[in-house]
Amino acid sequence: QQQVKQSPQSLIVQKGGISIINCAYENTAFDYFPWYQQFPGKGPALLIAIRPDVSEKKEGRFTISFNKSAKQFSLHIMDSQPGDSATYFCAAAVGTDKLIFGTGTRLQVFP
Amino acid sequence: DADVTQTPRNRITKTGKRIMLECSQTKGHDRMYWYRQDPGLGLRLIYYSFDVKDINKGEISDGYSVSRQAQAKFSLSLESAIPNQTALYFCATTGRGPTEAFFGQGTRLTVV
Repeated sequence: QQQVKQSPQSLIVQKGGISIINCAYENTAFDYFPWYQQFPGKGPALLIAIRPDVSEKKEGRFTISFNKSAKQFSLHIMDSQPGDSATYFCAAAVGTDKLIFGTGTRLQVFP
Repeated sequence: DADVTQTPRNRITKTGKRIMLECSQTKGHDRMYWYRQDPGLGLRLIYYSFDVKDINKGEISDGYSVSRQAQAKFSLSLESAIPNQTALYFCATTGRGPTEAFFGQGTRLTVV
């Protein structure tokens, strides 16, 4: 049972374009939504996170958009760069409980 | 030094062998986790431990066992390895509550 559904599985974007990765969840008790970035040969690392009391959070070129009523959240990467090529995971958690991860999106940014 | 260290980084083992993957962390966190990563399936939780005396099964614990030797150490064992346990394994640690998870660099395990 996939509690956090992530799409697309892979994404190819040209340099300078916008990358958008989407996640949907069913458990309305989730109250913490982080995104993790993983480069080849490395473990995932926290990129940006949001709580449901705000609809958007921006850090540099990375923005999380959160739609509580639709139970969806997305990661937007503006002005995508080849160095952004990585696998991205969304995740969710309830209170102090463990993180539940999505299935991942492999992003490739071509020059 | 890395916050979370996994050993070995790569391992090839034969079907039926027992193997242990080790993890240690220097973050001083109470909580530790073992995940398995497979293409298209994301990060799936095998076992987790919220403190030294606490061990919990994750969504795919069958065929695996764990030991929490100390606050900083959490090992994963495959009692009798099988080929479909070939995967990338990650250890992680978090503080209490929904805080940042720190991952190790992973162990690539191949069972032949």
